[in-house]
Amino acid sequence: EPEVTQTPSHQVTQMGQEVILRCVPISNHLYFYWYRQILGQKVEFLVSFYNNEISEKSEIFDDQFSVERPDGSNFTLKIRSTKLEDSAMYFCASSATRGSYNEQFFGPGTRLTVL
Amino acid sequence: DQQVKQNSPSLSVQEGRISILNCDYTNSMFDYFLWYKKYPAEGPTFLISISSIKDKNEDGRFTVFLNKSAKHLSLHIVPSQPGDSAVYFCAASEKDTGRRALTFGSGTRLQVQP
Repeated sequence: EPEVTQTPSHQVTQMGQEVILRCVPISNHLYFYWYRQILGQKVEFLVSFYNNEISEKSEIFDDQFSVERPDGSNFTLKIRSTKLEDSAMYFCASSATRGSYNEQFFGPGTRLTVL
Repeated sequence: DQQVKQNSPSLSVQEGRISILNCDYTNSMFDYFLWYKKYPAEGPTFLISISSIKDKNEDGRFTVFLNKSAKHLSLHIVPSQPGDSAVYFCAASEKDTGRRALTFGSGTRLQVQP
């Protein structure tokens, strides 16, 4: 069964460093998303991406965040200058075409620890 | 900003009985609802969804009920199995506006006792 994959599973970084989280969405999906879950809190939407551009973003997704689909398979989230409060689980998700509405399939997550 | 609320942080049921997980929402723009199951150290797994044009959707042991006037939905699991023990999240989105961002509840931890 196709699944979303994410690498690395755990990333430790120093405050102020840049990190790139990687995702491989399900191959025939066209919508891609990033969410995060800070320990003990809800899963929160960050950004959605369709047709090589951002289609929605939340207030959390400020200028320090960016997303890219550098090739036909990968989808990345970059945090330019990490802060302590960026420590969280980051989940990538993907969903199919407009006709199949919004069942989003999630990857296993990357645990980001900012020291 | 609690647009999606799951007021029961935990629920314990006996194997073979019905599990009922509840979810309330406040945003009247929400018109598409989903339930996810999550095990520790894994991502959320999609279970079942329902559009606001329906009041019930069934898939095997899982049934979701939607009461739009009360802004309430519930997930029924019958019969409950020990493997169903996990955290269950309700999520909502705005289909009519084209927004796909999911707004999640805080989750209910279900424990199914053998």
